[in-house]
Amino acid sequence: QVQLQESGPGLVKPSETLSLTCAVSGFSISSGFYWGWLRQPPGKGLEWIGNIYHIGSTYYNPSLKSRATVSVDTSGNQFSLSLSSVTAADTALYYCARRDGYTWGYFDYWGQGTLVTVSS
Amino acid sequence: QSVLTQPPSASGTPGQRVTISCSGSNSNIGRNSVNWYQLLPGTAPKFLIYTNNQRPSGVPDRFSGSKSGTSASLAISGLQSEDEADYYCEAWDDSLNGPVFGGGTKLTVL
Repeated sequence: QVQLQESGPGLVKPSETLSLTCAVSGFSISSGFYWGWLRQPPGKGLEWIGNIYHIGSTYYNPSLKSRATVSVDTSGNQFSLSLSSVTAADTALYYCARRDGYTWGYFDYWGQGTLVTVSS
Repeated sequence: QSVLTQPPSASGTPGQRVTISCSGSNSNIGRNSVNWYQLLPGTAPKFLIYTNNQRPSGVPDRFSGSKSGTSASLAISGLQSEDEADYYCEAWDDSLNGPVFGGGTKLTVL
């Protein structure tokens, strides 16, 4: 069974960089698929942040592209998100997920999510 | 403001059939397939429907999806208390070059 688990600080100061890691078990990242980050601000809907293909190609939401970086660590079977220059608007429940396919695909496995609050 | 439009809430009594709509445009639903997810607080989101109307293994056949033009819908028949959750639609958007979501529909089982 594929399982994903997010980890990282729950509190980040404004203007600093948010860093999260997603540990994958039950499947080897190097075997394929896209691996992505999404978020849900309080009281709002889901927003896609970006994906990384197992060989390292990255794809980002244009609204976040200049601040977001997704990277993969195949030896550790995990992938990460860095979001720079955060503001209160970046406060959200952050999810990592596996995407089966690109334009025609879907997010088939998700982590439980981790709440990140941006506050001084 | 979400790219796809869903009603914020829906409700039904046990055993009823409810439908949740998802409206988009030619750059997303009009050209690409729709997926549906179920979100419950404190748990990993569950993948319910893919490619408009396909159910992943393990999803009861009480859940069904359909698509017509730039709109899609999720139907839940034989409503159960455990179906009380938030439901989100998703489709690839050719303009964004990425997946977009609806704002979510909170389903209440009365």
